[in-house]
Amino acid sequence: DIQLTQSPSFLSASVGDRVTITCRASQDISSYLAWCQQKPGKAPNLLIYAASTLQSGVPSRFSGSGSGTEFTLTISSLQPEDFATYYCQQVNSYPHTFGGGTKVEIK
Amino acid sequence: EVQLVESGGGLVQPGGSLRLSCAASGFIFSDYYMAWVRQAPGKGLEWVGRIRKKVNSYTTEYAASVKGRFTISRDDSKNSLYLEMNSLITEDTAVYYCTRVRAVYYIDYWGQGTLVTVSS
Repeated sequence: DIQLTQSPSFLSASVGDRVTITCRASQDISSYLAWCQQKPGKAPNLLIYAASTLQSGVPSRFSGSGSGTEFTLTISSLQPEDFATYYCQQVNSYPHTFGGGTKVEIK
Repeated sequence: EVQLVESGGGLVQPGGSLRLSCAASGFIFSDYYMAWVRQAPGKGLEWVGRIRKKVNSYTTEYAASVKGRFTISRDDSKNSLYLEMNSLITEDTAVYYCTRVRAVYYIDYWGQGTLVTVSS
């Protein structure tokens, strides 16, 4: 199985900060990576797919990059509604594993 | 509006069985692959498995942790997805999400989830 390692697992940031989350795959997954956001008690929401394509309706402050084994999710200017947990997921091969998550909290 | 509504969760004893259902609306259900994802209390997301469309013979894939115990099926005439869970163990305790798979690969919609608790 492909392992996805997210870093950091927790980060504390302020409104307006630029935030970057990294997802590393244990083997080459090309660009078959998605990012989703989950708020407490809610189902996740898709943010980015194919490593860098913004899902319809997602604010442009979110962006994704990378290919192969290293990927990043960037929030250019953190907003109050962005405090949540973020997960990467690979869909290159079965099982379609998720990273362990990155919790973004208010500083 | 795409809607996915899970039902069938509850408390079950170890070794027992449970069948989850997901009612889909707001899109052409038969055109999409569908998947189940679960989340144990306070933990991260775990992909459970997915089912393809009729043109792909409704074939399925599963995570190793559930293979042989769980079965995913669908009824396109009822716009419904199912998860049959047998030989349940305490580690199967989780919220189970029904999801739609976009462009063969990516989960683009999630249901609100249904809680399954395996405990004696």
